[in-house]
Amino acid sequence: ETGVTQSPTHLIKTRGQQVTLRCSSQSGHNTVSWYQQALGQGPQFIFQYYREEENGRGNFPPRFSGLQFPNYSSELNVNALELDDSALYLCASSKDTYTEAFFGQGTRLTVV
Amino acid sequence: KNQVEQSPQSLIILEGKNCTLQCNYTVSPFSNLRWYKQDTGRGPVSLTIMTFSENTKSNGRYTATLDADTKQSSLHITASQLSDSASYICVVSDRGTYKYIFGTGTRLKVLA
Repeated sequence: ETGVTQSPTHLIKTRGQQVTLRCSSQSGHNTVSWYQQALGQGPQFIFQYYREEENGRGNFPPRFSGLQFPNYSSELNVNALELDDSALYLCASSKDTYTEAFFGQGTRLTVV
Repeated sequence: KNQVEQSPQSLIILEGKNCTLQCNYTVSPFSNLRWYKQDTGRGPVSLTIMTFSENTKSNGRYTATLDADTKQSSLHITASQLSDSASYICVVSDRGTYKYIFGTGTRLKVLA
């Protein structure tokens, strides 16, 4: 158990729809980052939040957005879903950017 | 361009044998290097984390080494077990952008 919980575990959406994925971090973990992992590939960094502000972003379009809340929960929102968005989405939390990051089990998103 | 490359891409060994996985990176400025174990369809689990000044770190049968001068790391697994079958991912943190850069992983299969 890493203390990081993601919901839902599985999700099926239709192309063009919007989706919100949720992550509940350990108490005291001010940093949360989100990743997209396609089947058979390593995770790709989407963005990172520190104390509710985005402080790093990977090569993902603006339709990928996020929020971090004071209660150590966070959201990943994806608008205008495309078939290629089908992947495992992982969140990871840590006390700060230089300490160990703990991953959730992921949300498997399928876009049809 | 910041990159993390791992080798071999896949590896099959017999139970009880040792193996070594390699990670080369070009990330600069360097913050830390982490090794994760990821079972299929699940979130990565941290094995070790090393900063610039650390050369070796062990976690049970897992021993990671880091040479910050040559930008190389290795993960040595001793007396392998069937449960070691998984993907092993090397992750390097960029101190400038706070991004985590993932390697594509080494798929390890341990056979009885």
